Amino acid sequence: QVQLVESGGGVVQPGRSLRLSCVASGFSFSHFPLHWVRQAPGEGLEWVAVLSSDGTNKYYADSVKGRFTISRDDSNNTLFLEMSSLRAEDTAVYYCARDWARGYISSSLDYWGQGTLVTVSS
Amino acid sequence: DIQMTQSPSSVSASIGDRVTITCRASQDVSSWLAWYQQKPGKAPKLLIYVASSLQSGVPSRFSGSGSGTDFTLTISSLQPEDFATYYCQQAKSFPLTFGGGTKVEIK
Repeated sequence: QVQLVESGGGVVQPGRSLRLSCVASGFSFSHFPLHWVRQAPGEGLEWVAVLSSDGTNKYYADSVKGRFTISRDDSNNTLFLEMSSLRAEDTAVYYCARDWARGYISSSLDYWGQGTLVTVSS
Repeated sequence: DIQMTQSPSSVSASIGDRVTITCRASQDVSSWLAWYQQKPGKAPKLLIYVASSLQSGVPSRFSGSGSGTDFTLTISSLQPEDFATYYCQQAKSFPLTFGGGTKVEIK
């Protein structure tokens, strides 16, 4: 069965960096676009970034553009989110999610991980 | 960016009730709209994609309709496991955007 498992969250000081990982199993990882979505405590969902299946197309939310980088390692079925210049408002549970469509970005997210909490605080 | 507005923000309903949630986009998204269910402490779950297609494994009491700017999620007969928060999301253009959510509570 499809599984996505995030890791790498924790408490980090403002201005510092953190890298999140998402290990996938149960599907052909290299064939699917992948997304990061976050949810601040008690708040709604905010889409963060997407990476196409071939790794050539990346899109970001304005709130993270220039600070966050999405990447993938198909040999290890792993999605990454490199976060730098972190701010208090980046505090959230970060979910990785698989795009519904194989080979292109449909932007409907059919499988989600359990999330990893990032807390930005001094 | 496309703004997504859901209404109501919360609804109280009883088992067996028909529940309708509305989502409005600030511009035409055609049928590029998805609906998700989220329970406390859990990840969201895809219910509906491209406005009206039921995701595999989702009960048929859930249905979606609409196109352009106005969309609806309907639960035909509310079950105990349906008490949750529901989000719409436009899939038309980046950045992807979600509605603010509708919490379905027990009356």
